[in-house]
Amino acid sequence: QVQLQESGPGLVKPSETLSLTCTASGGSISSYHWGWIRQSPGKGLEWIGFIYHSEPPNYNPSLKGRAIMSVDTSKNQLSLRLNSVTAADTAVYYCARRGLTFEAFDIWGPGTRVTVSA
Amino acid sequence: EIVMTQSPAILSVSPGERATLSCRASQSISSDLAWYQQKPGQAPRLLIYGASTRPIGMPARFRGSGSGTEYTLTINSLQPEDFAVYYCQQYNKWPLSFGQGTKVEIK
Repeated sequence: QVQLQESGPGLVKPSETLSLTCTASGGSISSYHWGWIRQSPGKGLEWIGFIYHSEPPNYNPSLKGRAIMSVDTSKNQLSLRLNSVTAADTAVYYCARRGLTFEAFDIWGPGTRVTVSA
Repeated sequence: EIVMTQSPAILSVSPGERATLSCRASQSISSDLAWYQQKPGQAPRLLIYGASTRPIGMPARFRGSGSGTEYTLTINSLQPEDFAVYYCQQYNKWPLSFGQGTKVEIK
């Protein structure tokens, strides 16, 4: 059973770039689609986007082009970069595996909390 | 964007009783609906997809139903570990969207 673990700085300054990594173990990252989701008290759960190793990512338009996702199959890792962050980007960020036949998430990482503050 | 509305916000139920949670979509989502359970400090856990399909190993007391814009999660004979927050999520149209959650608490 694949396991996921997010990592990255817990504190980011406003206007800077948030960078997170998700490492998969127990399975190949090339075999599935993957997603990033965030959760904040104000907005609840918010889908950030999907990525598959051989296809362009798909993003939530609400992020206004600030998100960039990528896959490194040699390291079995996903990454998320979010540019020009504000306090509204403060959240717990999750990576998750998308189902094979449905666009919901059947395996989640434990999440990593990111605070945007000066 | 499809807006998902869950009700009630808080549901007080005694252990062993049944809980009925509702999720309404702002337009038809053709059963492209998932339900998740989330406990404090944990990630959501997938309970149901396709409105009524349980992943392998999910207890049968979790039952999903509905169609069109109206969906229901029924939890039969609530166990102590079932007290948590439950979210619905539609995947019929991008962007994917989640409901605001229903907290099932001990009565």
